[in-house]
Amino acid sequence: AQSVTQPDIHITVSEGASLELRCNYSYGATPYLFWYVQSPGQGLQLLLKYFSGDTLVQGIKGFEAEFKRSQSSFNLRKPSVHWSDAAEYFCAVGANLIGGYNKLIFGAGTRLAVHP
Amino acid sequence: NAGVTQTPKFRILKIGQSMTLQCAQDMNHNYMYWYRQDPGMGLKLIYYSVGAGITDKGEVPNGYNVSRSTTEDFPLRLELAAPSQTSVYFCASSQGGGETQYFGPGTRLLVL
Repeated sequence: AQSVTQPDIHITVSEGASLELRCNYSYGATPYLFWYVQSPGQGLQLLLKYFSGDTLVQGIKGFEAEFKRSQSSFNLRKPSVHWSDAAEYFCAVGANLIGGYNKLIFGAGTRLAVHP
Repeated sequence: NAGVTQTPKFRILKIGQSMTLQCAQDMNHNYMYWYRQDPGMGLKLIYYSVGAGITDKGEVPNGYNVSRSTTEDFPLRLELAAPSQTSVYFCASSQGGGETQYFGPGTRLLVL
């Protein structure tokens, strides 16, 4: 069965420090991979996605993620965190429903706190 | 473009009451989805639709019903509210099955 694991429930970093959020997935075929961000009281916003091609993906707000098939990972990185990056981050894998329709399986999320 | 809109933003229900959560999108997307988000649990798919008149169950459909009479609207119906349905509900849409999903702002539901 498809699944997504985000090992870190909560991470705190200082403003200006680098960030890496971990994501591991279980999926039998080549996955579609996504990172979403959710600010308090808001819906989810897409940060970046991987469908195929270059395994290093650039997203919005200075985020990037690297797909590593051998490690079944899709970790999210940012070289210098800003206070406005404090939010909850969700990794998701796209899985085919019956008939080829895509659904997203979400990890439990990682809550990021940023110290000034 | 408004994107995906949801109403209401917040609602308190008594056990056994019914309500409909509204969702609309103005992007002409074929696919629409309902998720619930419980603390520390990520998002779970309740129902989805691949076009007007076509709906199917997701991972956690019990206690809910949906309909899709138009491309734009995808309401979620709770017939007999239970405390276990206390959650935040998100509607999403996408152009195709493998495309990016766009989310609404959510409806927070409390069942007492």
